[in-house]
Amino acid sequence: AQSVTQLDSQVPVFEEAPVELRCNYSSSVSVYLFWYVQYPNQGLQLLLKYLSGSTLVKGINGFEAEFNKSQTSFHLRKPSVHISDTAEYFCAVSGTGGFKTIFGAGTRLFVKA
Amino acid sequence: DVKVTQSSRYLVKRTGEKVFLECVQDMDHENMFWYRQDPGLGLRLIYFSYDVKMKEKGDIPEGYSVSREKKERFSLILESASTNQTSMYLCASSLRETQYFGPGTRLLVL
Repeated sequence: AQSVTQLDSQVPVFEEAPVELRCNYSSSVSVYLFWYVQYPNQGLQLLLKYLSGSTLVKGINGFEAEFNKSQTSFHLRKPSVHISDTAEYFCAVSGTGGFKTIFGAGTRLFVKA
Repeated sequence: DVKVTQSSRYLVKRTGEKVFLECVQDMDHENMFWYRQDPGLGLRLIYFSYDVKMKEKGDIPEGYSVSREKKERFSLILESASTNQTSMYLCASSLRETQYFGPGTRLLVL
């Protein structure tokens, strides 16, 4: 079984500042890791994913995440945020052998002018 | 682009009513999912289906049932709606590891 913990429920940040959204997971098997974003009144869309290979993964809208197996983390980063990045961000994990995905509780990113 | 559509964006129902939520995907995906999303709890899996007429219980199936008669359509049924089923319901489909979501149905049970 897998589980996901998003360490911050809300992250306020000023425009053009860097941001890191933290995610830790636990699993007894090999995993795939994901970050999804949900803009207001919309469904979730994939931001980026780690399947294998390079531990630094680049996604859409300038976001990137680093898979750290020893620390069981998959933190999301962006060097300079925009107002339009205001959204809820979900970290998720699935076992490589299945298709069920476990989602974290979400982190609300507020970007202030 | 993958498109997942849900029959309603907003729905208001009375306690005890039978409620149908419909989801349709246009990418011939094998797998479909129903989640409910509540503040502070993230997404919780209600049911999923990996083929026509096949279904599996997720983490919170109580009070819900599903139907998948055609590959593109996956329906969630609330047999007798209760106020604790007031929530956002999200449908998703996938071919492999990535899920594609519909816009969600916000259900209010009075």
